[in-house]
Amino acid sequence: EVQLVESGGGLVQPGRSLRLSCAASGFTFDDYAMHWVRQAPGKGLEWVSGISWNSGSIGYADSVKGRFTISRDNAKNSLYLQMNSLRAEDTALYYCAKDMSHIAVAGSYGYWGQGTLVTVSS
Amino acid sequence: DIQMTQSPSSLSASVGDRVTITCRASQSISSYLNWYQQKPGKAPKLLIYAASSLQSGVPSRFSGSGSGTDFTLTISSLQPEDFATYYCQQSYSTLSITFGQGTRLEIK
Repeated sequence: EVQLVESGGGLVQPGRSLRLSCAASGFTFDDYAMHWVRQAPGKGLEWVSGISWNSGSIGYADSVKGRFTISRDNAKNSLYLQMNSLRAEDTALYYCAKDMSHIAVAGSYGYWGQGTLVTVSS
Repeated sequence: DIQMTQSPSSLSASVGDRVTITCRASQSISSYLNWYQQKPGKAPKLLIYAASSLQSGVPSRFSGSGSGTDFTLTISSLQPEDFATYYCQQSYSTLSITFGQGTRLEIK
């Protein structure tokens, strides 16, 4: 059974940093691209970042480019999101999502975690 | 970036109704269009991928169609468990993904 478990969220002051983690199990992690998607309270879904199976291709939403860094450790079956210079508008539930396509980046997500909440406030 | 526009933003319908939600892309995305369902407090669930392919385990009353810039999600006969928010998503730009703003489907 595919499982994605996010962690690392919490309350942080504006301008500070936070690192999210996603622990994956139930599939061959290093065969799939992975993504972060967020949802501000009461709002819609926003793609944040994605990374290919071998970290060779990476993309970011304009809203986080230059502040967030996605990475993965295939030996640990883990995905990460380093978030720097956090702003109030980064407040959201952050989901980890598994790409559907084997090896290629399809950008469609058959599995999601339950999310970790990040609140940016003074 | 490719912009995705859904209509309507909200919709009231009754059990047994046929419902259609539309999604328009700001440029052609071929068939790189996915639909998700999200219920309150839950993660989104993939319903349709590649515009018209039904995800495994999803009831056949859900269907998708379209290509290029215009797409539709149809629920042939609404069931009580279908009341939720629906999102379209383009995956034409696989590392520059965008979602529609969502359509909230409510009970009439």
